[in-house]
Amino acid sequence: EAQVTQNPRYLITVTGKKLTVTCSQNMNHEYMSWYRQDPGLGLRQIYYSMNVEVTDKGDVPEGYKVSRKEKRNFPLILESPSPNQTSLYFCASSLGQGNQPQHFGDGTRLSIL
Amino acid sequence: LAKTTQPISMDSYEGQEVNITCSHNNIATNDYITWYQQFPSQGPRFIIQGYKTKVTNEVASLFIPADRKSSTLSLPRVSLSDTAVYYCLAHTNFNKFYFGSGTKLNVKP
Repeated sequence: EAQVTQNPRYLITVTGKKLTVTCSQNMNHEYMSWYRQDPGLGLRQIYYSMNVEVTDKGDVPEGYKVSRKEKRNFPLILESPSPNQTSLYFCASSLGQGNQPQHFGDGTRLSIL
Repeated sequence: LAKTTQPISMDSYEGQEVNITCSHNNIATNDYITWYQQFPSQGPRFIIQGYKTKVTNEVASLFIPADRKSSTLSLPRVSLSDTAVYYCLAHTNFNKFYFGSGTKLNVKP
């Protein structure tokens, strides 16, 4: 089944403790992206990647890192999480050619205390 | 990157046709218009995409006037299961995407 898989789905942690949210897709997609969703603000793009070893900032990249060492994986790294990063996070992927639609994961709810 | 403006919320009743309009005054020549649907606790799901005039699929229709400064998503005969948030995007290829806050559609029995 074609899908985007995020782990973990839920995480409660403390300020300053490094964490990684993994994202994996099995559709051989070139394009991958991370979003955060907050009440009243909709979905905001954090980082995106157009191919292996190619990443770029979205609208809200501060406090986040990403890497794209393999085509299927696009982890989101919070080196020193803070409470303002408490949010619902979505990973997405697409073929990346023309205007192919994005396929989204089921989300990761992070709570930073 | 063209920003979009949509109504915050809309109410409808089962069986009615619902039209959600999106404004994208600064749309670029190469921008496409794409609509997504999102249910609570799920990621957005692609509904329909178009460049100009009218596009129809098994779920919805998309109307885009000649000046392309707005677009209208049309959902025929909605049901309770169509209650969701609908996002309109104007974008070129696969770089940055601006989702905005979307339109919360509430379908009543």
